[in-house]
Amino acid sequence: DIQMTQSPSSLSASVGDTVTITCQASHDILNFLNWYQHKPGKAPKLLIFGASTLETGVPSRFSGSGSGTHFTFTISSLQPEDVATYYCQQHEDVPFYTFGQGTKLEIK
Amino acid sequence: EVQLVESGGGLVQPGGSLRLSCAASKFTFSHYWMTWARQAPGKGLEWVATIKQDGNDKFYVDSVKGRFTISRDNGNNSLYLQMNSLRVEDTAVYYCARDVFCFGGSCYSEVLRYWGQGTRVTVSS
Repeated sequence: DIQMTQSPSSLSASVGDTVTITCQASHDILNFLNWYQHKPGKAPKLLIFGASTLETGVPSRFSGSGSGTHFTFTISSLQPEDVATYYCQQHEDVPFYTFGQGTKLEIK
Repeated sequence: EVQLVESGGGLVQPGGSLRLSCAASKFTFSHYWMTWARQAPGKGLEWVATIKQDGNDKFYVDSVKGRFTISRDNGNNSLYLQMNSLRVEDTAVYYCARDVFCFGGSCYSEVLRYWGQGTRVTVSS
């Protein structure tokens, strides 16, 4: 099994700040890494796929980078509507997908 | 726009059974693998099961093997999850998601781009 270690588990930042979340894979997953935003009562929303490709319609303040085992997700100029839980997910080992533990983002 | 609508959740006692459904529309259902995932209270997302486009191959997370069965009806664009011998730790919101695309004998890895809004399962006495 490929384990995904995501950090931090929670963070609080101010509107306009830049926030960064990291995700580490237990095995080399090339760039088969996605980032999702999940709000309570809603479907998870794909933000980034292929580690760094922005999904259509997603604001450009969201970005991702990395390959192999270390990945980073960044929100620049944080907005109030970005309050959510964010997850990384590997799909190198299809279909035995694994997610990071999640990062709960709040606004100060 | 792709639509996935889950139903069938509810309250059930430990050891009981439930059958979840996922109604798919606005895409060619028979061309896609389909996946169930869940989120337990206070926990993160967890992949549960996947079924290939023709229903011939199925995959499960270890914790549900032998208890859950994923199936599909391509004629009715529907995905199912039969859950037996339910445990308290199966309490979660269950989501269906569209998965790998297959056509003309080839399959192409797809990200889990489309998800339903989920159906809540509570296992409690």
